[in-house]
Amino acid sequence: ETGVTQSPTHLIKTRGQQVTLRCSSQSGHNTVSWYQQALGQGPQFIFQYYREEENGRGNFPPRFSGLQFPNYSSELNVNALELDDSALYLCASSSSSGSTKNEQFFGPGTRLTVL
Amino acid sequence: SQQGEEDPQALSIQEGENATMNCSYKTSINNLQWYRQNSGRGLVHLILIRSNEREKHSGRLRVTLDTSKKSSSLLITASRAADTASYFCATVPISSGSARQLTFGSGTQLTVLP
Repeated sequence: ETGVTQSPTHLIKTRGQQVTLRCSSQSGHNTVSWYQQALGQGPQFIFQYYREEENGRGNFPPRFSGLQFPNYSSELNVNALELDDSALYLCASSSSSGSTKNEQFFGPGTRLTVL
Repeated sequence: SQQGEEDPQALSIQEGENATMNCSYKTSINNLQWYRQNSGRGLVHLILIRSNEREKHSGRLRVTLDTSKKSSSLLITASRAADTASYFCATVPISSGSARQLTFGSGTQLTVLP
């Protein structure tokens, strides 16, 4: 059983650019959630995808968008990057059923720096 | 916005001592979970307590939940240097519905000195 993986590990962009972050969910999981964690803060929920549809969204502007693919992997896209977008972006996968349905399994994160 | 607050923000103890961290939250919840994070990496799930439970144990971890006070505590007994990490409580608000989104607190940085 493979865990949640994310790519890239680190990324440096300049203000105004666009970025795509990728996440492969754990085997057997059909739900992916994305979180943003600023330095020294707890993660904040961006949105969740279930069966390729957005299933809940946090307080983030529309320039944060996502996709989920038939194999349940996911992308997070951020347009028109701002300095405040610098953060650790965490992906978490979960199952909608079974004994662990309340547990989210996190990937190692992508560290995004916006200059 | 953060749902809850952890207290203290930072805690430093000697190896072998117990560490207690507290968490307060604001809205009605389905469950509360504690996570651990090492040096800005991914989070590791430690324990989940449902809203109808008051106490739960897992190895050296003990979690309590008081829904009337909207608070929880995490006790780590017989701490080890390897327990050094940031600890976060996360709630699943009833309002999140099927999304079961996690709403995190701001974390407690635990340092266990050898």
